[in-house]
Amino acid sequence: GENVEQHPSTLSVQEGDSAVIKCTYSDSASNYFPWYKQELGKGPQLIIDIRSNVGEKKDQRIAVTLNKTAKHFSLHITETQPEDSAVYFCAAAYSSASKIIFGSGTRLSIRP
Amino acid sequence: EAGVVQSPRYKIIEKKQPVAFWCNPISGHNTLYWYLQNLGQGPELLIRYENEEAVDDSQLPKDRFSAERLKGVDSTLKIQPAELGDSAVYLCASSSEGRNEQFFGPGTRLTVL
Repeated sequence: GENVEQHPSTLSVQEGDSAVIKCTYSDSASNYFPWYKQELGKGPQLIIDIRSNVGEKKDQRIAVTLNKTAKHFSLHITETQPEDSAVYFCAAAYSSASKIIFGSGTRLSIRP
Repeated sequence: EAGVVQSPRYKIIEKKQPVAFWCNPISGHNTLYWYLQNLGQGPELLIRYENEEAVDDSQLPKDRFSAERLKGVDSTLKIQPAELGDSAVYLCASSSEGRNEQFFGPGTRLTVL
């Protein structure tokens, strides 16, 4: 089955700087890669996703890149703000199965 | 549009007691998921429903866990009897037909003493 590894487990960046979170997946059949943000006491919230027919996707300050050959995908957050502090999860799925496998999460802290 | 609703938000029980969690998905979403989230880890799928049919329950510990989704809307997840290791957050999510995007509820934090 699919296995998703996520690094780093914790990340602290200065406000205004960029943050990068990296993930790898094992199943080459996976073709859907969502990223979720989870704040304390809340459920995960989808912030951006990318499908395997696209190499990069951007939405304001966040962007995702996908390297299908290497089975790597990354989340980039630019101009970080205090409200970006949260736990971020990457995930992978084979769309027709609708089963999402999550990484172990990255706790992002933004230093003022 | 209302999001996924879960109740209770918190539950504390003694081991060997039964417990039940309730989920109301987003209106119109035919797919419903129950996930288990242990502290410091990502969610893990327990069961997935397409309407009222459980189409993936391979990760559900069937000796003590059960779930139902009568009428294909609300769902209940039950544990009987609860064990210390069941302490975790139980998340419910839903998605619309043919779409990958899953929308999560706030979860129920279970503590088994």
